[in-house]
Amino acid sequence: EAQVTQNPRYLITVTGKKLTVTCSQNMNHEYMSWYRQDPGLGLRQIYYSMNVEVTDKGDVPEGYKVSRKEKRNFPLILESPSPNQTSLYFCASSLQGIREKLFFGSGTQLSVL
Amino acid sequence: GQNIDQPTEMTATEGAIVQINCTYQTSGFNGLFWYQQHAGEAPTFLSYNVLDGLEEKGRFSSFLSRSKGYSYLLLKELQMKDSASYLCAVGDQTGANNLFFGTGTRLTVIP
Repeated sequence: EAQVTQNPRYLITVTGKKLTVTCSQNMNHEYMSWYRQDPGLGLRQIYYSMNVEVTDKGDVPEGYKVSRKEKRNFPLILESPSPNQTSLYFCASSLQGIREKLFFGSGTQLSVL
Repeated sequence: GQNIDQPTEMTATEGAIVQINCTYQTSGFNGLFWYQQHAGEAPTFLSYNVLDGLEEKGRFSSFLSRSKGYSYLLLKELQMKDSASYLCAVGDQTGANNLFFGTGTRLTVIP
């Protein structure tokens, strides 16, 4: 089944403790992206990647890192999480870029205490 | 980011027609998407417009006017399962390959 798999679904952590949210797609998509969704603010893009080893900042990249060593995987890294990073995170992928429809993962609800 | 406006909430009756509007301002327009998002779930693709005009897909249609920076999503023969948030998203190719989302319109369908 074609899908974007995100893990974990829920995560509670404390300030400063490094964490990684994994994202994997099995559709051979070149474009992958991370979004955060907050009430009243909608989905905001954190980072995106057009292909392996190519990553670029989105609208709200501060406090986040990503890597794209393989085509299928695009992990989101929070080196030192803070409470303002408490949010619902979505990974998404498309065949080639923003002119194609996005397939979203099921989301990760992160709480930073 | 871009300036994307859509109503926060709408209510409509089962079986009726509803139109959800979206206005936007962007310097490098690269297409407009509509996504549906049920509470607690991921967004799912509904439609994509890059040229002016109406795109029809079953009960859902989407319209675009690039000169007016305006789009709407039309839902016909509303069903209870259409209760969801509808997200307007605009692609911008100016300097970056970004996709910007509006805050979404929460539609409630009542019997």
